[in-house]
Amino acid sequence: AQSVTQPDIHITVSEGASLELRCNYSYGATPYLFWYVQSPGQGLQLLLKYFSGDTLVQGIKGFEAEFKRSQSSFNLRKPSVHWSDAAEYFCAVGAGNAGNMLTFGGGTRLMVKP
Amino acid sequence: GAVVSQHPSWVICKSGTSVKIECRSLDFQATTMFWYRQFPKQSLMLMATSNEGSKATYEQGVEKDKFLINHASLTLSTLTVTSAHPEDSSFYICSKSRGGHNEQFFGPGTRLTVL
Repeated sequence: AQSVTQPDIHITVSEGASLELRCNYSYGATPYLFWYVQSPGQGLQLLLKYFSGDTLVQGIKGFEAEFKRSQSSFNLRKPSVHWSDAAEYFCAVGAGNAGNMLTFGGGTRLMVKP
Repeated sequence: GAVVSQHPSWVICKSGTSVKIECRSLDFQATTMFWYRQFPKQSLMLMATSNEGSKATYEQGVEKDKFLINHASLTLSTLTVTSAHPEDSSFYICSKSRGGHNEQFFGPGTRLTVL
């Protein structure tokens, strides 16, 4: 079975600084990978996804992520953080099975200092 | 992106009562929908997979008699929390999938508080 680890529970960055949120997965084949963002009391919004092809994927709101098979990682990055980026971020992996199920990491809470 | 609505967005009920939460796909038909539960400051935990026209598939540890799921149409799945107790208080989120890449689209969630 697949699993996802987000090693950082909380991260605080200054507005305008760069950001990297870590995500490591465990799966025997090439997984389908996702990053979602959740604002307080809201559902999840898809930031970006990786299915195949170019390992650097661009998403909404200026985010990008890079799939590194050798490191089993799919880290999320943003060159310059805005105060509105403060939220909870979830990495998720899909095993490509017919059930379309996702396994979520524990989440990383991002706080942005002015 | 795909659109999912949930109703109600929040509900407060007394212990022992039942509460129904609706999840609607507003743009395309969804043969499969998912129900998640999220406690404060925690990740999403899959409760069950809802399949149109058939019984839901529950995850281990989820009481199917307590959390009744009905997926009677291609655009509507409902979750009924029966005989709710304070420990059932949580944020319930539904989602739907499309295609074969496990991509899911999430509703805005329903906050349930049981007094």
